[in-house]
Amino acid sequence: GEDVEQSLFLSVREGDSSVINCTYTDSSSTYLYWYKQEPGAGLQLLTYIFSNMDMKQDQRLTVLLNKKDKHLSLRIADTQTGDSAIYFCAERRDTGRRALTFGSGTRLQVQP
Amino acid sequence: DAGVTQSPTHLIKTRGQQVTLRCSPKSGHDTVSWYQQALGQGPHFIFQYYEEEERQRGNFPDRFSGHQFPNYSSELNVNALLLGDSALYLCASSLSFIGQIYGYTFGSGTRLTVV
Repeated sequence: GEDVEQSLFLSVREGDSSVINCTYTDSSSTYLYWYKQEPGAGLQLLTYIFSNMDMKQDQRLTVLLNKKDKHLSLRIADTQTGDSAIYFCAERRDTGRRALTFGSGTRLQVQP
Repeated sequence: DAGVTQSPTHLIKTRGQQVTLRCSPKSGHDTVSWYQQALGQGPHFIFQYYEEEERQRGNFPDRFSGHQFPNYSSELNVNALLLGDSALYLCASSLSFIGQIYGYTFGSGTRLTVV
């Protein structure tokens, strides 16, 4: 199974906040990322957070990191229909490794 | 400023054949990684090239091989195709090892269907 776990689906109404959750198992993960994938497209980097941070805010996006519980979340404020996509959480385990390990993705559906 | 360019966008091959996928990294980037994304899954790391050498490899058989050229572009080759190789193949680029910390730039991928 995946070392990075995400819930499969989230549905919200336009204008509400969305919270997408992710858990990871490797405590040596030092860099964590959120990517967005729209239908038929590649992955777009949304934001990243380092393990020495608890929170990072970037416009409508807020990332929270709970290292004790190995839990990462992405909050999207004022969710729009254009935010409908699949969101992937990814971890990079330590500075010596180059690969990202992705979760299976959370499909966000925004209803008008 | 062109992002990561992959070709072709779609490809249909027969089981047992060989395929070559191509990637041009974002301008200024020198490191290329390849990922396989099966339907309904997250991407899985295949390998990474830097300075024309394979620097790290994921859990993929030797049927998967690659190359990086002096202009930093890269190819992914898959021999003896299996039905299970059907997937979206994503190329990601970054600027050296330090640049990877801040995330990769992904291309739109090549959709490979093996029949």
